[in-house]
Amino acid sequence: AQKITQTQPGMFVQEKEAVTLDCTYDTSDQSYGLFWYKQPSSGEMIFLIYQGSYDEQNATEGRYSLNFQKARKSANLVISASQLGDSAMYFCAMRGAHAGGTSYGKLTFGQGTILTVHP
Amino acid sequence: ETGVTQSPTHLIKTRGQQVTLRCSSQSGHNTVSWYQQALGQGPQFIFQYYREEENGRGNFPPRFSGLQFPNYSSELNVNALELDDSALYLCASSLYQTTEAFFGQGTRLTVV
Repeated sequence: AQKITQTQPGMFVQEKEAVTLDCTYDTSDQSYGLFWYKQPSSGEMIFLIYQGSYDEQNATEGRYSLNFQKARKSANLVISASQLGDSAMYFCAMRGAHAGGTSYGKLTFGQGTILTVHP
Repeated sequence: ETGVTQSPTHLIKTRGQQVTLRCSSQSGHNTVSWYQQALGQGPQFIFQYYREEENGRGNFPPRFSGLQFPNYSSELNVNALELDDSALYLCASSLYQTTEAFFGQGTRLTVV
């Protein structure tokens, strides 16, 4: 079974500063994928960044980077230069990677962290 | 925008009724997954469809069923609605066994 834990129900950050959102995971799979999604109040889940378990480099996408520490089973999201539009709920998620298996498509989500960016 | 569209956006139903939610997947995507997101919670996987067949299922009772059509669009059907079925229902499309899943804006279902 896969489990995602996000221990920060809410986070506050000043505009233009960096913020780290925590995510730890548990899985018995050797190969897996880790995702971060942003969910504004409109409800749509917006894909931000992906890290494969065998990727040696930490993933980066613009202002988003994923601090992947495999031994600690953590996949923290770092948002640099926060903007007011970054205020939203953020979810960490995991997908198993058994090619051809029925678990492959399933994303397991954490409880989420509400990020509020102050001007 | 992701190109994944869901309809309707909002829906109110009475306990015991049946409901059908619809999802059009992004062009070129052949896999559709459905998720239920209760208020204040993370989404929970309901099931996935690939090539018009159910290809994985979460811990949901049989009254949650689905279909996928040849154009890869999909329906989620829920029979005998219960108050606890009130939630945001999200559809995600992807290419089978590829990395990214793109979500629609969701259907907010209220059961009264």
